Amino acid sequence: EAQVTQNPRYLITVTGKKLTVTCSQNMNHEYMSWYRQDPGLGLRQIYYSMNVEVTDKGDVPEGYKVSRKEKRNFPLILESPSPNQTSLYFCASSTILAPSTDTQYFGPGTRLTVL
Amino acid sequence: RKEVEQDPGPFNVPEGATVAFNCTYSNSASQSFFWYRQDCRKEPKLLMSVYSSGNEDGRFTAQLNRASQYISLLIRDSKLSDSATYLCVPGGSQGNLIFGKGTKLSVKP
Repeated sequence: EAQVTQNPRYLITVTGKKLTVTCSQNMNHEYMSWYRQDPGLGLRQIYYSMNVEVTDKGDVPEGYKVSRKEKRNFPLILESPSPNQTSLYFCASSTILAPSTDTQYFGPGTRLTVL
Repeated sequence: RKEVEQDPGPFNVPEGATVAFNCTYSNSASQSFFWYRQDCRKEPKLLMSVYSSGNEDGRFTAQLNRASQYISLLIRDSKLSDSATYLCVPGGSQGNLIFGKGTKLSVKP
């Protein structure tokens, strides 16, 4: 089954404790992206990757890191989480290098709470 | 002007009603347009792609007016299962997607 998976689905942590949210897709997509969704603000792009070893900042990259060592995986790293990073996070992938012309497939989301 | 503007709703309609959502976008260079559906706390899923002046898929019709930078979504014969938030998504100038904040629809029996 074609899918995007994220782990963990729910996480409660404390300020400053490094964490990683994993994202994996089995569709051989080149493009992968991370979004956060907050009430009243909609989906905002954090980072994206056009291919292996190619990553770039989205609209709200501060406080986040990503890596793309393999095509299928695109982990999101919070080196020192803060309460303002409490949010619902979605990973997404797309079939082609121009994601604005094709469907993006989303993972089920990770609900993160930073105390 | 905000990149994507949608009426947040909620739109509360009875089953069987016809409901229309509007969306305006600021980037005149956008070439692709989508409507995504998002159920509460779930991931967004593509509902329709909008090409040329618009297209129809069953009970759903999307229309595009490039001159006015306006996209609409019409849902006919609303079902309870149509209750969700509908996201207007024009393509950005850098190959990304710009998500609107969404319009919430609640269909009542």
